[in-house]
Amino acid sequence: GAVVSQHPSWVICKSGTSVKIECRSLDFQATTMFWYRQFPKQSLMLMATSNEGSKATYEQGVEKDKFLINHASLTLSTLTVTSAHPEDSSFYICSASRTSGGDNEQFFGPGTRLTVL
Amino acid sequence: GENVEQHPSTLSVQEGDSAVIKCTYSDSASNYFPWYKQELGKRPQLIIDIRSNVGEKKDQRIAVTLNKTAKHFSLHITETQPEDSAVYFCAGRSTDSWGKLQFGAGTQVVVTP
Repeated sequence: GAVVSQHPSWVICKSGTSVKIECRSLDFQATTMFWYRQFPKQSLMLMATSNEGSKATYEQGVEKDKFLINHASLTLSTLTVTSAHPEDSSFYICSASRTSGGDNEQFFGPGTRLTVL
Repeated sequence: GENVEQHPSTLSVQEGDSAVIKCTYSDSASNYFPWYKQELGKRPQLIIDIRSNVGEKKDQRIAVTLNKTAKHFSLHITETQPEDSAVYFCAGRSTDSWGKLQFGAGTQVVVTP
């Protein structure tokens, strides 16, 4: 159990376009989902935390108008990178936990490789 | 918020030897410390974790120790094998209501046959 999927696994887009990445919990209900960005040879940097039915909480320095997060159901969260630019090229990883905070493990998705030309 | 530092950034070991990675954290109220293994282009995989009410935990060749007073925790891998080669991340969980993880910078472990 506790499987998290992401779609697409990779995407190439032109500068100025928007890209949507989906994160799904396949066999459990995820009250909380987290979105991370990972540049080559670097660590995972938390971008935002989303809870089903409420607005996402963004980390300092992350533009909420550029990285739109929607957590419309207990099994789906989406990250939309608006007006993407080459510097947004990165590995985007989501994770999901069954409840908020507490003693709950985060289950990670396989990641989405975004390349902006 | 929580700040986690990890050392070393790279670690090369001979197959069969032990590997040790150390992390320090800043928030004395943090209570959960997982370790992840990440292979190139893949998702992080939880390999072991420890909670603040425990000083040591072991799972076969992997062990983690926690010193709450000094605010540091370590990963120990014994009898290393080539398949242990990967990037390892430590993390600390903050005590806010969201359960956010703060990751260390990572350690590239290379096990040479």
